[in-house]
Amino acid sequence: AQSVTQLGSHVSVSEGALVLLRCNYSSSVPPYLFWYVQYPNQGLQLLLKYTTGATLVKGINGFEAEFKKSETSFHLTKPSAHMSDAAEYFCAVILMDSSYKLIFGSGTRLLVRP
Amino acid sequence: EAGVTQFPSHSVIEKGQTVTLRCDPISGHDNLYWYRRVMGKEIKFLLHFVKESKQDESGMPNNRFLAERTGGTYSTLKVQPAELEDSGVYFCASSQGGAQGARTFFGQGTRLTVV
Repeated sequence: AQSVTQLGSHVSVSEGALVLLRCNYSSSVPPYLFWYVQYPNQGLQLLLKYTTGATLVKGINGFEAEFKKSETSFHLTKPSAHMSDAAEYFCAVILMDSSYKLIFGSGTRLLVRP
Repeated sequence: EAGVTQFPSHSVIEKGQTVTLRCDPISGHDNLYWYRRVMGKEIKFLLHFVKESKQDESGMPNNRFLAERTGGTYSTLKVQPAELEDSGVYFCASSQGGAQGARTFFGQGTRLTVV
C-alpha cells in the first residue's frame, strides 16, 4: 500500500533561513509525488510535482524538491524563507488505481519568525 | 478562468441535522474528487466521479454520506444525519480526464462543524 509520512507537524524558521520540510513515501511502483500548500483561508495549491525525468524539481515561489529513490524521500526545500511562506504544506503520492486518487501526509505547518 | 468553487465556506449544524455541500469544478474537467480533513489529521479521499458516474467511492465513511453529480457538472455531498465526528474540512478537486499526472485543482474547502 502507498503511504506518505511527513516528519514534524510544525517547523519554525527565521526569515532568511533555509526551509526543509521532510517527506517519505512508501510505494511498490514508481511514484508520482506532489507538494501542495495551503495558505490561510485558501484552498490547496500545487507547489511542484515529480512524475518522471529529472529528480530535482523546481516549483513556484522558489521551492524545490528532490526525489531520492534510495531514501524513498521527497523533501521540500527553499534556500531563504520569507514571511509569506507561512502556511501548511502537504506531501502527497498518487495511488495508481483507476481513480488516481491522492494519498496525503498529515501536513507540516511552517512558521516564519521575523 | 474560474477555479474550483465550494459552497458554503463554513457550516455549523447540530447533531442529527442534514447538510449539503456543493462543488463546482473547473469547466471541462471530467474528474471530480471529494476529500476530507478531520481534526488536523491527513487529508483523506472520499470518492471520485468521472463525469456523472461514481468511479470510486471506497473512502466514503458510511451510508450517512451521499454524493451526486448531476449531468456531470456540479456535485453535492449530503450528510444525513450529521454526527459529531463528521466535523472537518471537506475539499473538492477536479482534473481533466485520463492522465495520472494531470494537475488536480482544489477548492477552498467547506469547514463543517457539528455541535
